[in-house]
Amino acid sequence: DQQVKQNSPSLSVQEGRISILNCDYTNSMFDYFLWYKKYPAEGPTFLISISSIKDKNEDGRFTVFLNKSAKHLSLHIVPSQPGDSAVYFCAAGDDKIIFGKGTRLHILP
Amino acid sequence: GAGVSQSPRYKVAKRGQDVALRCDPISGHVSLFWYQQALGQGPEFLTYFQNEAQLDKSGLPSDRFFAERPEGSVSTLKIQRTQQEDSAVYLCASSLAGNSNQPQHFGDGTRLSIL
Repeated sequence: DQQVKQNSPSLSVQEGRISILNCDYTNSMFDYFLWYKKYPAEGPTFLISISSIKDKNEDGRFTVFLNKSAKHLSLHIVPSQPGDSAVYFCAAGDDKIIFGKGTRLHILP
Repeated sequence: GAGVSQSPRYKVAKRGQDVALRCDPISGHVSLFWYQQALGQGPEFLTYFQNEAQLDKSGLPSDRFFAERPEGSVSTLKIQRTQQEDSAVYLCASSLAGNSNQPQHFGDGTRLSIL
């Protein structure tokens, strides 16, 4: 059973608009949440993280929101740029991180 | 560079052969992780080291998989008597500290193909 779920395999967003990627988790003991970005033939690149004591963390164009009661987190990218086209992985855990299956984001010109 | 380095980038082996995959973590990083990534999936945890100690190997799929980090730096993932289902990208990651709330930084992986 998947402990970290990304229910949208793909998402298309117009350049300049906001991209919102969603993630759900099942284990209420998870205390650390991360988003990674992956280009083809490269390893995942760390984007942003949040600990369970916070509900929001912002870094430039990237903001992660955590709703612990709903066991849900999201990544907002604004404004979206062509270079943001990639696969985005949500991950959660503590010492051991569990990854979702990823969402492929397409930024349309 | 200063990132996690994995070698080889690509490995093709015949079924039944043994393979060894190498990971050079970021200098000074205490924790090292191995993941297996199948096509269309996220990375799946295999094993975790803190320095030279293997603290968790619960994700290793069978006893054909063996990992070591003898001096607390470079790590090797060995797969004996390879099978076709072992074909995947094997990712290595390292993080600064052994406790939680430290991001893992990934190498570009080794793509293993078993014929």
